[in-house]
Amino acid sequence: AQSVTQLDSQVPVFEEAPVELRCNYSSSVSVYLFWYVQYPNQGLQLLLKYLSGSTLVKGINGFEAEFNKSQTSFHLRKPSVHISDTAEYFCAVRPGYSSASKIIFGSGTRLSIRP
Amino acid sequence: NAGVMQNPRHLVRRRGQEARLRCSPVKGHSHVYWYRQLPEEGLKFMVYLQKENIIDESGMPKERFSAEFPKEGPSILRIQQVVRGDSAAYFCASSPPSNQETQYFGPGTRLLVL
Repeated sequence: AQSVTQLDSQVPVFEEAPVELRCNYSSSVSVYLFWYVQYPNQGLQLLLKYLSGSTLVKGINGFEAEFNKSQTSFHLRKPSVHISDTAEYFCAVRPGYSSASKIIFGSGTRLSIRP
Repeated sequence: NAGVMQNPRHLVRRRGQEARLRCSPVKGHSHVYWYRQLPEEGLKFMVYLQKENIIDESGMPKERFSAEFPKEGPSILRIQQVVRGDSAAYFCASSPPSNQETQYFGPGTRLLVL
C-alpha cells in the first residue's frame, strides 16, 4: 500500500519569496508522483509529474519538484511566488505498474501569499 | 479539446433523497475515476471504471453508493438516501487507454445535504 504525507497544512509566504512545499511518501513498489493545484472552488489541475528519468521535474507556472528516492520525498519548489499562486496543493502517488488505478492523495498544503 | 465535464456543479438534496452526479470524460478517454473530497481534507479514491465495467471499487461505501459507465453516455455516480455526511465535493477524472499514468480532473460536483 502507498501513503503520502504533506508535512505542512498551511504555508504563508510573502510575494516574490521562494517557497518549498514538502511531501514524503511510502511504498513497497516503484511509484509515479504528482503535484496537483486546486484553486478555490475549482477542480484539480496537474502541476507536474515524475514517471521516470531525470529526478528534477519542471512543471507549469514556474514550479519544479525533485524526486529523492533515498529520502522518499518529492518536494515542490518555486523561486519566486506570485499572488496568483494562492491555492491548495496536493501531492499524490500512484503505483508504477500498468494495472494500477487509484491515486493516493496527501491531505494538502494551503499556500497563502502575502503582498 | 473539452476537458472532463461534470454536472451539476452544485447539488442540494434533503436527507433521504437520491443524488445523481454525471461525468463526461475527455473525448477518447475510456477510463473514469471518482474521488470524494470531504471538507478540509484531501481526495479519497472511490471507484475506477472502464466502459461497462467496474475495475476497482475498493473505495466505495458498501451501501447506498453505486457507479456506472455505460457504453454510451456519461459515467454516473449515484447516492441513494443521502445523509448529511455525504456532503462533499465529488471529482471525476479520466485517462486514455494508451497513457494511464496521468488522470485529468473535472471541476467537481459539490453536494450539500440538508
